[in-house]
Amino acid sequence: AQKVTQAQTEISVVEKEDVTLDCVYETRDTTYYLFWYKQPPSGELVFLIRRNSFDEQNEISGRYSWNFQKSTSSFNFTITASQVVDSAVYFCALSEVRDDKIIFGKGTRLHILP
Amino acid sequence: DTGVSQDPRHKITKRGQNVTFRCDPISEHNRLYWYRQTLGQGPEFLTYFQNEAQLEKSRLLSDRFSAERPKGSFSTLEIQRTEQGDSAMYLCASSFQGTRAEAFFGQGTRLTVV
Repeated sequence: AQKVTQAQTEISVVEKEDVTLDCVYETRDTTYYLFWYKQPPSGELVFLIRRNSFDEQNEISGRYSWNFQKSTSSFNFTITASQVVDSAVYFCALSEVRDDKIIFGKGTRLHILP
Repeated sequence: DTGVSQDPRHKITKRGQNVTFRCDPISEHNRLYWYRQTLGQGPEFLTYFQNEAQLEKSRLLSDRFSAERPKGSFSTLEIQRTEQGDSAMYLCASSFQGTRAEAFFGQGTRLTVV
């Protein structure tokens, strides 16, 4: 069965520090997609990234970077030089191609302190 | 097109009443998903549609819940005989060609059953 685990329930860091959000997933499929979404206080889920299981190349987008390691079933998310506006709940998610629904982890609440 | 739209944004109802929520997806998107999110949890999958066909329903979706997407455009989610445990945020998302493309979420409908 598919499962996403975000072990960090809540993290607080001081502005400008780097922070890494952990995500570990379980799936029986060889073809799947991984996602990260941000949920700011306004409540709307904002898409950040999608990765397919055949692409293990790490990705960087501005201050955001993602590290995908199939060997450890992890898809970690790092924010460099954090800002107060990064404060939100971040969700890691998984979708198996065979049934195409997105399964979310419980989320990590990130507090960036000024 | 400004994204996925959900109506109403908030609904307070008395236990035992029926409620209906509406979701208008992004116009060219053929996939539509319903999720439920309770406080401190990640979104939980309820059901999804490919055009007008309902492809999968979660075991979370009891007989009191029904969803439709009659013409493959907007969708409705009805809850009959509401219970206090139904209090949650109900999220709708849409995507093109399944999760090979990112899913865009609406702002949700917050249901409070009193």
